[in-house]
Amino acid sequence: DQQVKQNSPSLSVQEGRISILNCDYTNSMFDYFLWYKKYPAEGPTFLISISSIKDKNEDGRFTVFLNKSAKHLSLHIVPSQPGDSAVYFCAASAPYGGSQGNLIFGKGTKLSVKP
Amino acid sequence: DARVTQTPRHKVTEMGQEVTMRCQPILGHNTVFWYRQTMMQGLELLAYFRNRAPLDDSGMPKDRFSAEMPDATLATLKIQPSEPRDSAVYFCASGLVLGSPLHFGNGTRLTVT
Repeated sequence: DQQVKQNSPSLSVQEGRISILNCDYTNSMFDYFLWYKKYPAEGPTFLISISSIKDKNEDGRFTVFLNKSAKHLSLHIVPSQPGDSAVYFCAASAPYGGSQGNLIFGKGTKLSVKP
Repeated sequence: DARVTQTPRHKVTEMGQEVTMRCQPILGHNTVFWYRQTMMQGLELLAYFRNRAPLDDSGMPKDRFSAEMPDATLATLKIQPSEPRDSAVYFCASGLVLGSPLHFGNGTRLTVT
C-alpha cells in the first residue's frame, strides 16, 4: 500500500518550457513534503520542501505547490533546462518520526528535457 | 563540501555470503537512515538511527539484516545470508533532527548471484 504515489514514471519536456511533476499521498498525518533529484550513479539530492502550513514554496526556477484537501503536491520547473534531466522523488514525513524521520518516498519520475 | 561516504560502491557476491555495507555520516549529523532502491519499490526505508540509537527498523527483514552504529562516525548494514532478491542499491543518508534536509551517499550497488 503506497502512501506516496508518483503516477507518471517518466516525463519529456522541451528546453525552456515548464515541467510539472505530480505526487499524491494518502496519509493525512504527513506534515512535511520534499522533492529530491537523482542523477545516475549518485544519491538523491534535496531540492525543495514545503510544510503543510503553506501551499507554495519557491526557490529560483523550482516551485512546489501543496493542495492538502486533494492530498496532492506538484513541482514546477520553469524554464526547464537539459541539466534538469534526472529522476525526481517526492517524499513525505509524519510528525511522530521527528523532522524527516520515517521519510516515505514515491517511486520517482524520470524527467527528460530535450534541447 | 561535507558528504556522506558509503563503501563499497559496488559489491558482487554469491548467494549465502555475508555482506557488510558501511556509511560515514556527515560530522555533526545525529540521524542516520538506510534506504534501499529497487525498480519495483522505489526508495524503501530499512532502518533509522537517532544519536546512534535505532528508532525504526521495521522495514528490514529481521532474520537476515542487521543495522548498527558502533560509533558516531560509522553505520553498518549487514546481510547474512544474502539472497538474489537482496540485489539493489543501498543508500545511507544523514541529517540533523530539526528541519534540515537529508544528505545521501552515492550508494552501494549490491548484486547477489
